[in-house]
Amino acid sequence: NAGVTQTPKFRVLKTGQSMTLLCAQDMNHEYMYWYRQDPGMGLRLIHYSVGEGTTAKGEVPDGYNVSRLKKQNFLLGLESAAPSQTSVYFCASSYVSLNAEAFFGQGTRLTVV
Amino acid sequence: AQSVTQPDIHITVSEGASLELRCNYSYGATPYLFWYVQSPGQGLQLLLKYFSGDTLVQGIKGFEAEFKRSQSSFNLRKPSVHWSDAAEYFCAGRSQGGSEKLVFGKGTKLTVNP
Repeated sequence: NAGVTQTPKFRVLKTGQSMTLLCAQDMNHEYMYWYRQDPGMGLRLIHYSVGEGTTAKGEVPDGYNVSRLKKQNFLLGLESAAPSQTSVYFCASSYVSLNAEAFFGQGTRLTVV
Repeated sequence: AQSVTQPDIHITVSEGASLELRCNYSYGATPYLFWYVQSPGQGLQLLLKYFSGDTLVQGIKGFEAEFKRSQSSFNLRKPSVHWSDAAEYFCAGRSQGGSEKLVFGKGTKLTVNP
């Protein structure tokens, strides 16, 4: 049972390039989340989804887009990467219950130069 | 705004000493509250959670947390810290009857001295 898998694990982008981060979960979870983690800032919610075909903005959505075309996948896109988007990105998923534990992937370290 | 606050950025304790990590919440109603731990280079692992009932919650690895409505707090405790507890700890919350957003505090880094 893989849990939550993030692809890729590391990536270096040049300013202005685009990329997509993939999050896949095999637990049949409804809720999925994308966070970024920066030193001293904790985890900040970028976007989230409460089910297939739905997405919603989190705390820091600017510069990112997401899609949830399949229940098991949640994609995070950067259309034009900026150095300020250098961060570690985490995906998480949980059951459709507000008291449900969120399961996290291992993270994607993204550097924008 | 709904939020979770961890007042301590960094805490250092000696191995074998007791530990308390603070978490305060700001929600209109009692939120669902969680404590997670992150070891270096790793994802986050759930230690414990609170959503109703007993205000003292037991978790994994010998941790416990106490929900205090009067103080809007959900502090994490451990009676005797082990060197392997050195990590970063995050408090998180969701609103009851509200958004599915899961928001995190900024974290507390724990250093354990031998």
